[in-house]
Amino acid sequence: GDQVEQSPSALSLHEGTGSALRCNFTTTMRAVQWFRKNSRGSLINLFYLASGTKENGRLKSAFDSKERYSTLHIRDAQLEDSGTYFCAAEAGNTGKLIFGLGTTLQVQP
Amino acid sequence: GPKVLQIPSHQIIDMGQMVTLNCDPVSNHLYFYWYKQILGQQMEFLVNFYNGKVMEKSKLFKDQFSVERPDGSYFTLKIQPTALEDSAVYFCASRRDWEYEQYFGPGTRLTVL
Repeated sequence: GDQVEQSPSALSLHEGTGSALRCNFTTTMRAVQWFRKNSRGSLINLFYLASGTKENGRLKSAFDSKERYSTLHIRDAQLEDSGTYFCAAEAGNTGKLIFGLGTTLQVQP
Repeated sequence: GPKVLQIPSHQIIDMGQMVTLNCDPVSNHLYFYWYKQILGQQMEFLVNFYNGKVMEKSKLFKDQFSVERPDGSYFTLKIQPTALEDSAVYFCASRRDWEYEQYFGPGTRLTVL
């Protein structure tokens, strides 16, 4: 079935540095959402893309439906960026989201 | 941002009993979803609901499951009867329209004993 492969599963960054998270899709997806899970386990919306790129502060996301991937770039990482990040791709005509397994980010001083 | 509420946050019941999970979606949203997450596993789609009807359901949405949103009130997921494998965190989501993102509630942790 449709799958979302998210990498890396874990990432450690020093403050001020940056990196990228990536999700690959096994089939063409209509759109992608990126979330961060907060300390209480709630999903915080970061981005929703049907194509192209979006930027918000130190975060930037891209989605290429044809090439079947999406990325989330974090620059100038801060301690409060630590947490688990999820991508979720929208499949089919009913909007159901297929989630990746998440990336646990730890930002160190 | 927009908030989706879920009631209760935790529910413990005995196997075979009925349970209703309640979701208060964002007020002007039209599409509603339930997802299930078993501990340590990824979140999985259960069902979506629009205009009073189920649009799509996954194989996880067993015959014992049902959803409804009577008169624009809570969007509910009912499980009757419950089974041990129904223990999970259930997340509700809503979206305003087709071209908009989904917003998730904080989840209801269901424990079936």
